[in-house]
Order: sequence, then C-alpha cells, then structure tokens
Amino acid sequence: DTAVSQTPKYLVTQMGNDKSIKCEQNLGHDTMYWYKQDSKKFLKIMFSYNNKELIINETVPNRFSPKSPDKAHLNLHINSLELGDSAVYFCASSPVLSGAHQTQYFGPGTRLLVL
Amino acid sequence: AQSVAQPEDQVNVAEGNPLTVKCTYSVSGNPYLFWYVQYPNRGLQFLLKYITGDNLVKGSYGFEAEFNKSQTSFHLKKPSALVSDSALYFCAVRDEGFQKLVFGTGTRLLVSP
Repeated sequence: DTAVSQTPKYLVTQMGNDKSIKCEQNLGHDTMYWYKQDSKKFLKIMFSYNNKELIINETVPNRFSPKSPDKAHLNLHINSLELGDSAVYFCASSPVLSGAHQTQYFGPGTRLLVL
Repeated sequence: AQSVAQPEDQVNVAEGNPLTVKCTYSVSGNPYLFWYVQYPNRGLQFLLKYITGDNLVKGSYGFEAEFNKSQTSFHLKKPSALVSDSALYFCAVRDEGFQKLVFGTGTRLLVSP
C-alpha cells in the first residue's frame, strides 16, 4: 500500500486554466505538506496543515489554495495557471506538527507542465 | 534562519568505491538533520536523520552519515557504492519551530560500472 499518494502523476495544461492535485496519506499522520520542486530541483515548502488547520503559508501566490477535507487528505487547487507554475509538486506527511525527530514522508510527486 | 549547503552539484564515483556526499549546516540551537534520496521520476525517500546521540548515524540501503559539530557538517557516506545508488541526494534541516524542513540544493550522485 502506498503511504502517501498523489493524483495525477502528470498534468499538462494551458496557461490560464484551473487545476487541482490531490494527496492522500494512509499513515494516520496529523500533518501534511505541499512542496514545490523547480526545474533546478530546488525544493521549497508551500503549505502545511495540521488536523485540517493551515499552519504554514510560505508567501505563495493567492492563486494557490490548499484544502484539507480531513486529516488524511490535502488537495492543492491552482487558479489561472502561469508558465512559472511548471514544476513538480510533492505532498508529504509527518506524524505530528512539531518535534525535532519527526520524519516527513513524501508522495511520488505531480509533474505539472503549463503550456 | 536554519540552512544547509551542499557544495557539490554532482559526485562521480566508481562502483565498489566509497562515496561521500557533503552537507554543511547553519543553525541557531541544536541541529536536526536529515538525508533524503530522489530516484529519477520518483518522490523523496527518507534515508536517515540525526537528532541527538551518536555522531555516526546508520540509515537505509547501507548509507550512513557522520555528524561533526565542530565542522558543522553532516556528510552522507557509503563504504561501497552501487550503480543503483545513482540518484539525487538532499540534505535537510528542521527549522527552529520544528514545523518544516529546509532543503539543500541537492547533489547528483553518479556511480559508474
């Protein structure tokens, strides 16, 4: 069983469209994250949610809106897609929000290409 | 702010030889350090972490990392490299509030047969 899963794996779309990426974890974790990996493979956190509550929002444009219907799911909706949004988006989860020893477990990534 | 640096974009090593992937860190307070590996077109996989205790941390797939406080380093090592170890390796540090990971820029490891 996949611990952290994302759909879709690949997403090719036109500029200006709205799209969503879904993430689910079956680890029973309280905290979930979205990271963006750019073309240079640089990884940066975008959001974190703890028990459906937004905790971190790292100066991400308003066009990006995360939604957590329950603590096992964290979806990412992107409005008015721009060329610069092309990247790989990773979902991750950890048992709880804080704690130095907490390990984050990552999903396989969603490769978004905006044309 | 917490940060890590990976000074090498790429490391080349022959199969069977030892490998080292370098990471240095900058933190205020105690360092909590992680190594992840990313295989082509895959997600990140956790390898190992240092929280406290022994300076030599053992992890998955035969990897280990040596924590050196005086040199503020956390280098990833493996005694004998495999071609299948070829991947992108990320060092990361837990931020001060323990709420997120801050990643290095990644080091590509290429193990030749």
